[in-house]
Amino acid sequence: GAGVSQTPSNKVTEKGKYVELRCDPISGHTALYWYRQSLGQGPEFLIYFQGTGAADDSGLPNDRFFAVRPEGSVSTLKIQRTERGDSAVYLCASSSYGTTYNEQFFGPGTRLTVL
Amino acid sequence: AQSVTQPDIHITVSEGASLELRCNYSYGATPYLFWYVQSPGQGLQLLLKYFSGDTLVQGIKGFEAEFKRSQSSFNLRKPSVHWSDAAEYFCAVAAGNNRKLIWGLGTSLAVNP
Repeated sequence: GAGVSQTPSNKVTEKGKYVELRCDPISGHTALYWYRQSLGQGPEFLIYFQGTGAADDSGLPNDRFFAVRPEGSVSTLKIQRTERGDSAVYLCASSSYGTTYNEQFFGPGTRLTVL
Repeated sequence: AQSVTQPDIHITVSEGASLELRCNYSYGATPYLFWYVQSPGQGLQLLLKYFSGDTLVQGIKGFEAEFKRSQSSFNLRKPSVHWSDAAEYFCAVAAGNNRKLIWGLGTSLAVNP
């Protein structure tokens, strides 16, 4: 079956612009995560959705970052007034949810470059 | 606070040699621990995981890891490395009710022919 997909695969933008990054999770997965991976670093947690609601947004670095998942499937990460420090690979993962831990399946990521 | 430390930033081994990648974690409760591999241009792939029970866990591609609670470690091992194992390896712990993953900085593995 289809895995997690992310679009675009690459995004180049100018400082100060607005960008949207899309994540299509595995069908039926209710949990969705966004992570950010800067060069030479491990991924860092940004936000977690359970269904349509953001259950944990404690990893969002500031109020320029926002994410939605209006129908409990596709999610969009939105970054306003981009800064050069936002350049990174943005990873999306989805999992089913239950009383025990379920594996997170990762998409290929979107590489964001802010000039 | 939860954290994961991978002490080795870069490791080089010869093909056919054994491999051990170190991982130490800090977590108050019983941890869920993971090793992922990331090859250039590829997404993150789960190698193995530990939840409970047998402290020696087997994964894909011939990898295994051993959970040692007394040392807060979860080291990854492979008895004989193949050139295709060259990649970035990440250790992670699942934290909290939302099971978000806390990651180490990664270890870059190079394999000499």
